[in-house]
Amino acid sequence: GENVEQHPSTLSVQEGDSAVIKCTYSDSASNYFPWYKQELGKRPQLIIDIRSNVGEKKDQRIAVTLNKTAKHFSLHITETQPEDSAVYFCAAPSGTYKYIFGTGTRLKVLA
Amino acid sequence: GAVVSQHPSWVICKSGTSVKIECRSLDFQATTMFWYRQFPKQSLMLMATSNEGSKATYEQGVEKDKFLINHASLTLSTLTVTSAHPEDSSFYICSARVPSGRETQYFGPGTRLLVL
Repeated sequence: GENVEQHPSTLSVQEGDSAVIKCTYSDSASNYFPWYKQELGKRPQLIIDIRSNVGEKKDQRIAVTLNKTAKHFSLHITETQPEDSAVYFCAAPSGTYKYIFGTGTRLKVLA
Repeated sequence: GAVVSQHPSWVICKSGTSVKIECRSLDFQATTMFWYRQFPKQSLMLMATSNEGSKATYEQGVEKDKFLINHASLTLSTLTVTSAHPEDSSFYICSARVPSGRETQYFGPGTRLLVL
């Protein structure tokens, strides 16, 4: 089955700097990779996703890149703001419609 | 669109009692819903896949007799934690897949369960 690894587990950045979170997956057949943001005690919110037919997708300050050969995908947040502080999870499909989640990255943006 | 609700948002119960958690898709029909549990500062662990009109599919290590799942309609799945014990205390979150050929899952707000 699919195995997802996520790094780093914690990340502190100064406000305005960029943050990068990386995930690797094991199943070369995986073709859809979402990123979720979870604030304390709240539900995970989908922030961006990418399909395997593209290498990069951008939405304002958030971008995701995918390297199918190396089997990794990364979340990039530019011009970070304090409200970006949260836990971010990547996921990869496993079986029919199921997700396997990464272990999460706790991002802290320092004002 | 793609709104998922959960009820209750939190529950405290005595050890040995059963607790039912509801997950509803409010503006779409969900043939497939998923149940996760999340311990503090940990990731989401998939417990089971709930399929409308058929039996749920449980992940390895999840006791199907303890975590009863029913998906009787296209908008409602329920998770019943039977004979709850303190180690069952956790944050339970459901998600639903929008049946449009996409893989995107939308999450409910979660239910915090505390078993005394």
